[in-house]
Amino acid sequence: EPEVTQTPSHQVTQMGQEVILRCVPISNHLYFYWYRQILGQKVEFLVSFYNNEISEKSEIFDDQFSVERPDGSNFTLKIRSTKLEDSAMYFCASSERGKQFFGPGTRLTVL
Amino acid sequence: QQQVKQSPQSLIVQKGGISIINCAYENTAFDYFPWYQQFPGKGPALLIAIRPDVSEKKEGRFTISFNKSAKQFSLHIMDSQPGDSATYFCAASIGAGNNRKLIWGLGTSLAVNP
Repeated sequence: EPEVTQTPSHQVTQMGQEVILRCVPISNHLYFYWYRQILGQKVEFLVSFYNNEISEKSEIFDDQFSVERPDGSNFTLKIRSTKLEDSAMYFCASSERGKQFFGPGTRLTVL
Repeated sequence: QQQVKQSPQSLIVQKGGISIINCAYENTAFDYFPWYQQFPGKGPALLIAIRPDVSEKKEGRFTISFNKSAKQFSLHIMDSQPGDSATYFCAASIGAGNNRKLIWGLGTSLAVNP
């Protein structure tokens, strides 16, 4: 069964460094999303992406964040200058007919 | 108000019992209500979903009950099994067509005792 994959599973970085989280959505899906979950808190929507552009973004998704689909298979989330409060689990999702399928997540730890 | 409130935060049920998790929302523009199941170390997996034009949806041992007037919906797990032990999230979806963002509840940690 096709699934969304994410790499790395765990990323540790220093505050102020740039990180790129990678996702491979399910191949025939057209809509892509990033969500994050700070430990003990709700899953929060960050951004949706369709047809090579952002469809919607939350107030969390400020100028430090960007997304890209650099080729036909990958979907990336870049955080330019990480802050301590960016430490969270980041989930990528892709959707078909409104149903969203999630990857296993990348745990980002900012020191 | 774009919130989804979920309760209880944790639940312990005996094997064979019924697990019930409740969610409430405010925004009447929500038009799709999925439930996700998450095991440790895994991403959320879509379990079952409902639209507000029906009051109940059943898939195997999992049933969603939906009360549009009360703006509440719940997940019932019949004949709960130890393998059902996981975190369950309700969510509500808003958006046009296939492009939808999910607004999530806080999650319920379910433990089913053998």
